[in-house]
Amino acid sequence: DAGVTQSPTHLIKTRGQHVTLRCSPISGHKSVSWYQQVLGQGPQFIFQYYEKEERGRGNFPDRFSARQFPNYSSELNVNALLLGDSALYLCASSLREGRGIQYFGAGTRLSVL
Amino acid sequence: AQSVSQHNHHVILSEAASLELGCNYSYGGTVNLFWYVQYPGQHLQLLLKYFSGDPLVKGIKGFEAEFIKSKFSFNLRKPSVQWSDTAEYFCAVMGTTSGTYKYIFGTGTRLKVLA
Repeated sequence: DAGVTQSPTHLIKTRGQHVTLRCSPISGHKSVSWYQQVLGQGPQFIFQYYEKEERGRGNFPDRFSARQFPNYSSELNVNALLLGDSALYLCASSLREGRGIQYFGAGTRLSVL
Repeated sequence: AQSVSQHNHHVILSEAASLELGCNYSYGGTVNLFWYVQYPGQHLQLLLKYFSGDPLVKGIKGFEAEFIKSKFSFNLRKPSVQWSDTAEYFCAVMGTTSGTYKYIFGTGTRLKVLA
């Protein structure tokens, strides 16, 4: 069975640009969460979506947005990129919101120059 | 402030030694607690979880953790580590406020087990 898939695996952008990261959950999973992981730190929660609705939000600026599609895949958008946005962005899917066990993808490595 | 603290950033043990990784959290309200593990070259995966009930929970590969509410702690233990336990371990809290969810991870502990 396919796990959580994320694309692209690596991305290089310059300051001020915007970026879209994509995530396909495990088949049957209806919830997707996004995390930012800076080197040497634990994952920082950005969003959780369930059935196309936002169900949780971390402490990130409005430059970060996301959405979930009818097939439960998801996009994370970041506008006006800053150097500090350079990180590994992880997607996790679960059968349901909240207590559902999260299964993580390999992540997208974003470098902002 | 909501936070998760992992006391040890790096731990080195010999095989067969006992392991205890500390985790303390600060979060108002009901929490659910997790330990995740990331083996070299692999994705983050769930090691064990606590939602309610028996505060001593058992996970995969012989790991267990004890929830002590009065100490806001959820320490991870294993009586005898193996070389294959070399990995990074993350403690995490999931809290609920007004029907929305928030996940907080600790900074992680890198465990190296010497053969």
